[in-house]
Amino acid sequence: DIQMTQSPSTLSASVGDRVTITCRASESISTWLAWYQQAPGKAPKLLIYKASTLKSGVPSRFSGSGSGTEFTLTISSLQPDDFATYYCQQYNSYFRTFGQGTKVEVK
Amino acid sequence: QITLKESGPTLVKPTQTLTLTCTFSGFSLTSRGVSVGWIRQPPGKALESLGFLYWNDDVRYSRSLESRLTITKDTSKTQVVLTMTNMDPLDTATYFCAYTEEWFGDLDSTWGQGTQVIVSS
Repeated sequence: DIQMTQSPSTLSASVGDRVTITCRASESISTWLAWYQQAPGKAPKLLIYKASTLKSGVPSRFSGSGSGTEFTLTISSLQPDDFATYYCQQYNSYFRTFGQGTKVEVK
Repeated sequence: QITLKESGPTLVKPTQTLTLTCTFSGFSLTSRGVSVGWIRQPPGKALESLGFLYWNDDVRYSRSLESRLTITKDTSKTQVVLTMTNMDPLDTATYFCAYTEEWFGDLDSTWGQGTQVIVSS
């Protein structure tokens, strides 16, 4: 299985901050990468697919980049609703795998 | 509108077999590019993929859990069933089913609310 590794595991930030989360794949996955946001007690929601394409309705402060094995999710100006856990997921293989998550918490 | 809902027992004893059902609407599991996956999340931990059932009847399982898992579909009832044998307290988690449609790299995904499963004697 393709292993996905996120960093950091926890990120402390304030409203208005720019935050960046990194995701690395154990082998090249081209741009077949998605980002999900999970609020406490809720199911994950898709934010970004194909590494950088924003799902319709997702605020433009979210952006994604990368290809191959290194990817980033950036929130340009953190808003109160953005304090959550973020997961990357590869879909290069038929068995899709997730990173271990990055919790964005209040500083 | 695509919806999914997981159902099944909340409490399971060690060594028992768990059966969870994902009942969905708003899409067809026979449409090209569509899949339904099962993902679990132990309390306070990360998402873990269990398996994915694809539109063409292909099923892919977690290598570490493959011997314990079976995922099947009932097209007429729009349900996908997860069976996990020999349950252990370490299998305590929230279990989600998720719809995904993939088309030349474009992706859409909708998840159920999840169902909590506790493994305890």
